[in-house]
Amino acid sequence: DTLMTQSPSSLSASVGDRVIITCRASEDISNYLAWYQQKPGKVPKLLIYAASTLQSGVPSRFSGSGSGTDFTLTISSLQPEDLATYYCQKYDSAPWTFGQGTKVEIK
Amino acid sequence: QVQLVESGGGVVQSGRSLRLSCTASGFTFRSYGMHWVRQAPGKGLEWVAVISYDGSNKYYADSVKGRFTISRDNSKNTLYLQMNSLRTEDTAVYYCAKDRAGYGDAFDIWGQGTMVSVSS
Repeated sequence: DTLMTQSPSSLSASVGDRVIITCRASEDISNYLAWYQQKPGKVPKLLIYAASTLQSGVPSRFSGSGSGTDFTLTISSLQPEDLATYYCQKYDSAPWTFGQGTKVEIK
Repeated sequence: QVQLVESGGGVVQSGRSLRLSCTASGFTFRSYGMHWVRQAPGKGLEWVAVISYDGSNKYYADSVKGRFTISRDNSKNTLYLQMNSLRTEDTAVYYCAKDRAGYGDAFDIWGQGTMVSVSS
């Protein structure tokens, strides 16, 4: 099965900072990659699908890029409400594996 | 509005069974693949199972294969997860989630989750 590895596992950044989270697939998954945000105590929320397409209603400070095995989620200007854990997920074929998550904290 | 509501969670002893339900509203349920995803306390997301829009295709995570069965009743807009031979490591919040576009896509709608606790 394809392994999804995120880095870093956690980070702390200041409001206004640019934040980059990476996700690496152990095999080529083309652009079948999604990013989710899970705020503390809340349900996961789809941010980006097809590696770079912003889900409706998601702020434009979030963006995604990559294809094949290497992907990134960028928050262009971190906001206090972005405190959350972020997960990547492959969906090219079963199993629909998630990365281990990246916890984003605000300094 | 588009909504998924899970039910059926609870506390159960190891080795016993439990059936979860997920009732959909606000969209054409029979047109979309549906998934179960779980999250153990303090841990990350783990995909559990998927069923295609018509129930003809089903896939499972290795950790639940042979013990869990996913099914759906499109006439009732309801998704199910039959969980047998439960283990303590199955303790988690179980979410149902909808494929964004048909089948084999990202998950655009999630339920609020139902807690399953398996005691030894």
